[in-house]
Amino acid sequence: DAGVIQSPRHEVTEMGQEVTLRCKPISGHDYLFWYRQTMMRGLELLIYFNNNVPIDDSGMPEDRFSAKMPNASFSTLKIQPSEPRDSAVYFCASSFSGASDTQYFGPGTRLTVL
Amino acid sequence: AQSVTQPDIHITVSEGASLELRCNYSYGATPYLFWYVQSPGQGLQLLLKYFSGDTLVQGIKGFEAEFKRSQSSFNLRKPSVHWSDAAEYFCAEGDYNNNDMRFGAGTRLTVKP
Repeated sequence: DAGVIQSPRHEVTEMGQEVTLRCKPISGHDYLFWYRQTMMRGLELLIYFNNNVPIDDSGMPEDRFSAKMPNASFSTLKIQPSEPRDSAVYFCASSFSGASDTQYFGPGTRLTVL
Repeated sequence: AQSVTQPDIHITVSEGASLELRCNYSYGATPYLFWYVQSPGQGLQLLLKYFSGDTLVQGIKGFEAEFKRSQSSFNLRKPSVHWSDAAEYFCAEGDYNNNDMRFGAGTRLTVKP
């Protein structure tokens, strides 16, 4: 398996624009996680899905953020409108049996909002 | 609420020296403990994990960690550090009952030649 795949790897956009980050989890993994990493706040869990259903979105910072998982092999994290404080590295991870189990991380998307 | 504490933000060691990175977890009914490593520009990679059984667990790249319930600790060790070990290290605790995972703030390791 190729591991967790994220695209794009880098994204530079201007404030107010819509940004969509994409993730393909490892095949057979039932859980998918979206994290945000910044110097100030470290690694933060934004939302996670089980069998394509959002389970815990308490980490989503505000309504500008939304996440979907239309099928078992694809998820998106959307920011609309984007703001400079959204600049961070966004990671997608997947696991086989739960949030407490080993998580396999993608390489991340580095987002810069100007 | 469960939490994971990594007391050291940054550690510098000389190549060839031994290493110990500290991690303290809050009590969980069934704590699952992990160490992940993040190289620059990369995602997190699992080094090792502890679920039950032998309290000394071996991981990849020559790392090991010891679970000590009495001290609520799960410290990561390596007897001889290589320059390629320079990275950020994260301790994490999973709670199977709550299906939850918490990461520590991370410890950045610098290796001097």
